[in-house]
Amino acid sequence: NAGVTQTPKFRVLKTGQSMTLLCAQDMNHEYMYWYRQDPGMGLRLIHYSVGEGTTAKGEVPDGYNVSRLKKQNFLLGLESAAPSQTSVYFCASSFTTQGRGNQPQHFGDGTRLSIL
Amino acid sequence: QKEVEQDPGPLSVPEGAIVSLNCTYSNSAFQYFMWYRQYSRKGPELLMYTYSSGNKEDGRFTAQVDKSSKYISLFIRDSQPSDSATYLCARNNQGGKLIFGQGTELSVKP
Repeated sequence: NAGVTQTPKFRVLKTGQSMTLLCAQDMNHEYMYWYRQDPGMGLRLIHYSVGEGTTAKGEVPDGYNVSRLKKQNFLLGLESAAPSQTSVYFCASSFTTQGRGNQPQHFGDGTRLSIL
Repeated sequence: QKEVEQDPGPLSVPEGAIVSLNCTYSNSAFQYFMWYRQYSRKGPELLMYTYSSGNKEDGRFTAQVDKSSKYISLFIRDSQPSDSATYLCARNNQGGKLIFGQGTELSVKP
């Protein structure tokens, strides 16, 4: 029972390099989210998707792009990595919006990204 | 001012202690409040949720919302070393998204 799987788990990049983080969920969830978690800042929403083929900006979208070509996958791209993007990135998914607390977001175990 | 404020701690207590974790929020328009628990190097997982104001109990855990003071609390009775984790409060927001607090790191010492 995989739930939400994030690939890779760790990565070190040099400034200016690009990369894509992959999130896959096997729960047939409509909604998917990308967060970053930094010390003292909590979880901040980068981008999210309310269904296949849709994406929307969250709280901190600058420097990131996303795509949701398949319902089960949500990709986060960094086109030109900057040291400020060093963080732990979490993907989450849910059946519906979070207007009801009994439909929780299910999180992956994160991707630890360092940018030198 | 962040919409959901939480003391980051760290908080260290002896095994068996009662733990009180607290958050404040600034917008009363949204009424679902949640507590997520996050173990080291893992993703957050939903622990409890409450709607509007009042208490909700689940075993050793009690979630409380005081709308008059815009205060969210999580109480852990008879705390165990296995409760050592970061606890994140959250509330729902426009468009069905979540806003999280900064998280409080809790350590329960045997």
